[in-house]
Amino acid sequence: DAKTTQPTSMDCAEGRAANLPCNHSTISGNEYVYWYRQIHSQGPQYIIHGLKNNETNEMASLIITEDRKSSTLILPHATLRDTAVYYCIVRSNTGTASKLTFGTGTRLQVTL
Amino acid sequence: NAGVTQTPKFQVLKTGQSMTLQCAQDMNHEYMSWYRQDPGMGLRLIHYSVGAGITDQGEVPNGYNVSRSTTEDFPLRLLSAAPSQTSVYFCASRAEGRAVKETQYFGPGTRLLVL
Repeated sequence: DAKTTQPTSMDCAEGRAANLPCNHSTISGNEYVYWYRQIHSQGPQYIIHGLKNNETNEMASLIITEDRKSSTLILPHATLRDTAVYYCIVRSNTGTASKLTFGTGTRLQVTL
Repeated sequence: NAGVTQTPKFQVLKTGQSMTLQCAQDMNHEYMSWYRQDPGMGLRLIHYSVGAGITDQGEVPNGYNVSRSTTEDFPLRLLSAAPSQTSVYFCASRAEGRAVKETQYFGPGTRLLVL
C-alpha cells in the first residue's frame, strides 16, 4: 500500500471549513483513499473514501486531484466535537487481505 | 447491533503473565484484525483474519497469538507479557469482498499496562 504524508497538526475556528491535506504521490491505480478519525482514546471512525471522483457524505467531502497524488478532506462547518486525529490511508480494495496502514495523522484542533 | 466489542477495558499485568484480550462482532464480518497504538503513534497491525480458521501476521506480530474458531470472535493472546506490550489495543472488523463500500469498524479499545 502507498504511503501518505500529512501535516502533524492544524487549527480551525468553530463554524469554519476545515481542509485537511494528504499527499500520496506513489498511489497506484487500484488504490483507494480512505479517511478515518480518532477522537481522544476512542477507536478510529470511518469518515469517507474515494478512488478518483470527488465524494461527499453527511460527514465530509473528499477532493482528489486529477493525478490522484493528493487529496483534501473537507469538514464544511467544523465543531468542537470534530477535534481529533485524522488519518489519510490508501489501500487496495482487491484481494482478501487488504489492510489499513495508519500513519501518524493530522491532529485537528477546533477552537471557539 | 452491538458492533465490535472488546473486553476488558483496562488491564494491569506483571511481566511474564499471560492473558487474552477478547474481541467479538455481531455484523457477520469475515475480516477481523488487531492493532496496537502506542502514545503519539498511529495504529500498527498485529494479526488479522479473513475468515474462521484463517489468520495471518501483520506488521508487529511478535509476542502475540491469535485464533479464529468462529466468525464472531477473534481473541488476542499474550503468552508472556513484557513492558514493551504496554499499549492500547484495538480490534476491528469489516466485510470482505470486492464491494467498494467496505468500511472498517473499530472497537473501543483495551488499555494494557505491563509492569
